[in-house]
Amino acid sequence: DTAVSQTPKYLVTQMGNDKSIKCEQNLGHDTMYWYKQDSKKFLKIMFSYNNKELIINETVPNRFSPKSPDKAHLNLHINSLELGDSAVYFCASSQDPQGRNTEAFFGQGTRLTVV
Amino acid sequence: SQQGEEDPQALSIQEGENATMNCSYKTSINNLQWYRQNSGRGLVHLILIRSNEREKHSGRLRVTLDTSKKSSSLLITASRAADTASYFCATGVRLAGNMLTFGGGTRLMVKP
Repeated sequence: DTAVSQTPKYLVTQMGNDKSIKCEQNLGHDTMYWYKQDSKKFLKIMFSYNNKELIINETVPNRFSPKSPDKAHLNLHINSLELGDSAVYFCASSQDPQGRNTEAFFGQGTRLTVV
Repeated sequence: SQQGEEDPQALSIQEGENATMNCSYKTSINNLQWYRQNSGRGLVHLILIRSNEREKHSGRLRVTLDTSKKSSSLLITASRAADTASYFCATGVRLAGNMLTFGGGTRLMVKP
């Protein structure tokens, strides 16, 4: 069973479009994340979502918005896509330790190409 | 700039040799973690070391942490061609959700 799954795996779209990437985890974790990996392989945290508390990386444009229908899902909506949004987007989850230390489990990534 | 920064950015060794990767960070941390990423895949957790630990082992992996120098190292002993991948350090800080901040990674190539 896939622990953290995201769809689609590949997404090619035109500038200006609105798109969504879905993420689901079956680990019973409390916290989910979205990361962006650019062409130089740098991984940047975009959002952390825990029990309806959203922590946003202030550098993320407000065209990006996470939507969590329930604890097992955290979808990423992107409005008015730009060429610079092309990257690989990773969803991840972890237990919310509140003082303890746990690892994050990652999905396989969604390669977004904006043309 | 990145919270965690790996050194070297790329490393090429022969099978059987040891590989050492270093990571430096800037702020106080809860823990430091190492992840591996094969080309075109997601990240896989390798090992976590808490801020009050100095060394940890897992199979052929050895991780050290020096909080006074804000640095960590990952040693892979007796490397194999299958170890070829990118290795990232990530720091967990005292925020709700233990958000991880990643460095730029070290690309390791192990030649058979």
